[in-house]
Amino acid sequence: DAMVIQNPRYQVTQFGKPVTLSCSQTLNHNVMYWYQQKSSQAPKLLFHYYDKDFNNEADTPDNFQSRRPNTSFCFLDIRSPGLGDAAMYLCATSPQRYQETQYFGPGTRLLVL
Amino acid sequence: QKEVEQNSGPLSVPEGAIASLNCTYSDRGSQSFFWYRQYSGKSPELIMSIYSNGDKEDGRFTAQLNKASQYVSLLIRDSQPSDSATYLCAVLSGAGSYQLTFGKGTKLSVIP
Repeated sequence: DAMVIQNPRYQVTQFGKPVTLSCSQTLNHNVMYWYQQKSSQAPKLLFHYYDKDFNNEADTPDNFQSRRPNTSFCFLDIRSPGLGDAAMYLCATSPQRYQETQYFGPGTRLLVL
Repeated sequence: QKEVEQNSGPLSVPEGAIASLNCTYSDRGSQSFFWYRQYSGKSPELIMSIYSNGDKEDGRFTAQLNKASQYVSLLIRDSQPSDSATYLCAVLSGAGSYQLTFGKGTKLSVIP
């Protein structure tokens, strides 16, 4: 089945220790998104890739970076995690950028100690 | 600032009843509307999308859109305990927008 896969499903890191979250997709979609969702809050868009074109949201902290080495994979790097970065991180894809449904992966729950 | 408002709930309905979930949005130029279901600790799952005024039915789910009132709703008929989840309303603005704006969600509890 075509799908969006995220690894790991749970990640524990230490304060200030860099961490990388992974997303892959078999849907061959052009657009990949990273969202951060904290408890009882709406998902918040961090950035997205339209093909190789990286688009950062204005209020995304510099601590968050992303890489998309090919169509199938996208990574979220948190350079120096703080306690406030503990959240569920959601990867989503869509065929094109506009007027399109977004399909979510299962998410990675990040815990910062 | 584009906003999507939902009643946070919890909304409790008995099994077999109709659950009605409501959402309002601030951007009058919005053109695409989505309802996602999110179980606790899981990722959002798309239930319905609606693009034009009126009703759209899919099984037990009906989405309703009124662009003049900037209002979108989701009706769940014959509610089941497995429908207990948080329902997120998401809006995609028109004219070249790519960003889904989510509401905070309404928590639905279906009581057996």
